[in-house]
Amino acid sequence: NAGVTQTPKFQVLKTGQSMTLQCAQDMNHNSMYWYRQDPGMGLRLIYYSASEGTTDKGEVPNGYNVSRLNKREFSLRLESAAPSQTSVYFCASRAGESGANVLTFGAGSRLTVL
Amino acid sequence: GEDVEQSLFLSVREGDSSVINCTYTDSSSTYLYWYKQEPGAGLQLLTYIFSNMDMKQDQRLTVLLNKKDKHLSLRIADTQTGDSAIYFCAETIGAGNMLTFGGGTRLMVKP
Repeated sequence: NAGVTQTPKFQVLKTGQSMTLQCAQDMNHNSMYWYRQDPGMGLRLIYYSASEGTTDKGEVPNGYNVSRLNKREFSLRLESAAPSQTSVYFCASRAGESGANVLTFGAGSRLTVL
Repeated sequence: GEDVEQSLFLSVREGDSSVINCTYTDSSSTYLYWYKQEPGAGLQLLTYIFSNMDMKQDQRLTVLLNKKDKHLSLRIADTQTGDSAIYFCAETIGAGNMLTFGGGTRLMVKP
């Protein structure tokens, strides 16, 4: 049981380049999330998807787009990367529909924008 | 997250108890959580507490919630070197679908 799988694990981009971070979960979870982690700032929510076909903005959505093509996959796209988007990105999915938000996280994708 | 605050760093000796503290601002928090992040890995849920509880114990872990002061703590008894990690406090507000995380506390356990 793989849980949440993210690709790639590492990526270096030049300013202005585009890329997509991929995320897939095999736990049949409805809700999926993209967070970024910066030193001392914890995790900040970029976008989330409560179910297949729906997406909503989180705390820091500017410069990003997402796509929830099916129940398993939730991708994060940077159309024109900026150095401020250098970060570690985590995808997560949620068990259950109500009660506590128990999230399962992927291992992270470290992105550097030069 | 600006609504959840933690100290940045804690150092303890192996075998001692560790206490990691967290404060939050929103009185409508329904659940509060502790997640652990080991180097190079994603976050893993350690434990969570419902807002109508004062304490929860799970083996070496004790969570204390003081709703009046909006203060949450995680006590790790008999701390081991394998407990070295970053610990994140988080909250859910109301019936929401989102977590708000604190900045994380790096726990270093010295042999």
